[in-house]
Amino acid sequence: GAVVSQHPSRVICKSGTSVKIECRSLDFQATTMFWYRQFPKKSLMLMATSNEGSKATYEQGVEKDKFLINHASLTLSTLTVTSAHPEDSSFYICSARGLDTFDTQYFGPGTRLTVL
Amino acid sequence: GEDVEQSLFLSVREGDSSVINCTYTDSSSTYLYWYKQEPGAGLQLLTYIFSNMDMKQDQRLTVLLNKKDKHLSLRIADTQTGDSAIYFCAETYSGGYQKVTFGTGTKLQVIP
Repeated sequence: GAVVSQHPSRVICKSGTSVKIECRSLDFQATTMFWYRQFPKKSLMLMATSNEGSKATYEQGVEKDKFLINHASLTLSTLTVTSAHPEDSSFYICSARGLDTFDTQYFGPGTRLTVL
Repeated sequence: GEDVEQSLFLSVREGDSSVINCTYTDSSSTYLYWYKQEPGAGLQLLTYIFSNMDMKQDQRLTVLLNKKDKHLSLRIADTQTGDSAIYFCAETYSGGYQKVTFGTGTKLQVIP
C-alpha cells in the first residue's frame, strides 16, 4: 500500500515553455503533498507543501509564480514549471501523506526535467 | 535551523555488515527515517523510528538511535550487491505541516 506515482518520468523541453508534472496517490487519500527538488549529488530540498483544497505554502527562496502547485483533489497534485530555463533542469520528487499513513511521507519515483 | 549530516561514501564487501551514520541537530525531532534511492529513481522508505525508541530491527536492517548525542545509524546485515544505493537519513517533528529535513545521503558501494 501507500503508492505514489509521478508522470512523466522524464521530460525534455525548450527554454521558455511550461511543463506540468503530476503526482498521484494511488491507494490512499493524500491530505498533504510535498514537492522536492534534488540537485546533482545533493540532498532533497523542499520546495512547497500543499494541502488539498488550499494554496500551497512555499519555502523561502522558491518562486511561487514560477513553480505553480495545485492540489485539487485528495489523490492529485500538480507542479507546473512556468517559462522553464536550463537552470530549472533537475530531478523533481513529490511525496504524500494521508490520515492513514500516520506521519510517514511516501515518495513518488521522481521526474527528470531537462530544459534545453 | 535543522541540520542533518551524513558521510558521503561507504564501501563494503558483499556479505559484510554496513553501518551508515547520521547526526541531526533538532532536539524536537520526533520521527527519524531511512530512505533508499537507487540510481535514477525516487526514494523508498526503508524504516523509521520514533524518538522514544532506542532500537528497531526489521529483517536485515537495524536502526539505533542515541537521542542524547542526536545520532542515528542504520546497520545492514549480510550486505548484498542489490543494497548498493544512496541512503538518506531524514527527520521531522510533530506539528506544522510535517516538513522533513534530509541528510546529504551516503552512497553505499557493495563490492562483490
